[in-house]
Amino acid sequence: DAGVTQSPTHLIKTRGQQVTLRCSPKSGHDTVSWYQQALGQGPQFIFQYYEEEERQRGNFPDRFSGHQFPNYSSELNVNALLLGDSALYLCASSLATSGGRETQYFGPGTRLLVL
Amino acid sequence: AQSVTQLGSHVSVSEGALVLLRCNYSSSVPPYLFWYVQYPNQGLQLLLKYTSAATLVKGINGFEAEFKKSETSFHLTKPSAHMSDAAEYFCAVTLSYNTDKLIFGTGTRLQVFP
Repeated sequence: DAGVTQSPTHLIKTRGQQVTLRCSPKSGHDTVSWYQQALGQGPQFIFQYYEEEERQRGNFPDRFSGHQFPNYSSELNVNALLLGDSALYLCASSLATSGGRETQYFGPGTRLLVL
Repeated sequence: AQSVTQLGSHVSVSEGALVLLRCNYSSSVPPYLFWYVQYPNQGLQLLLKYTSAATLVKGINGFEAEFKKSETSFHLTKPSAHMSDAAEYFCAVTLSYNTDKLIFGTGTRLQVFP
């Protein structure tokens, strides 16, 4: 059973560029959430996608956007990159049920360095 | 607003010693609480979760945590540390089981010495 996968594993960009990160959820999951983990910090919630729509959003600017595809995979896009966007970006998936959502499973992350 | 505070950014123990990682939460409504572990260059793995059932929660790898409402705490313990327990540990809170917006603490790095 494949877990959550993310690509690429590492990425180097320069300020002002745009980046796209990808996530495939755990088999059977339909909800994807994205988190940003700066060095030495805990992860911070960016947004969540369910049924191809953004359902919840954290305190991140509009430069951060996303998409969910019919197969439940998801992309995170960041425009006009800033040095402060350097971080580990984590994707988490879960399954929506009638009682709520089951446990989130995290991927290994994509480490983004902005120079 | 919900938040968690992890006391101690670094904890060092000897192999075989008790592990105690502290987490205090702040929530205006009954919280759901989680402990995750992160090994170097890896994502997060769920250790255990509290969702208003039993206050003593047992997790994987011999870890457990006790929800104490009076102390607003959810400390993580393990009776005997193993070298393989060395990692970063994160406490997290969420409002209810219907949201995936986890709010994480800043983490505690556990070192285990032989």
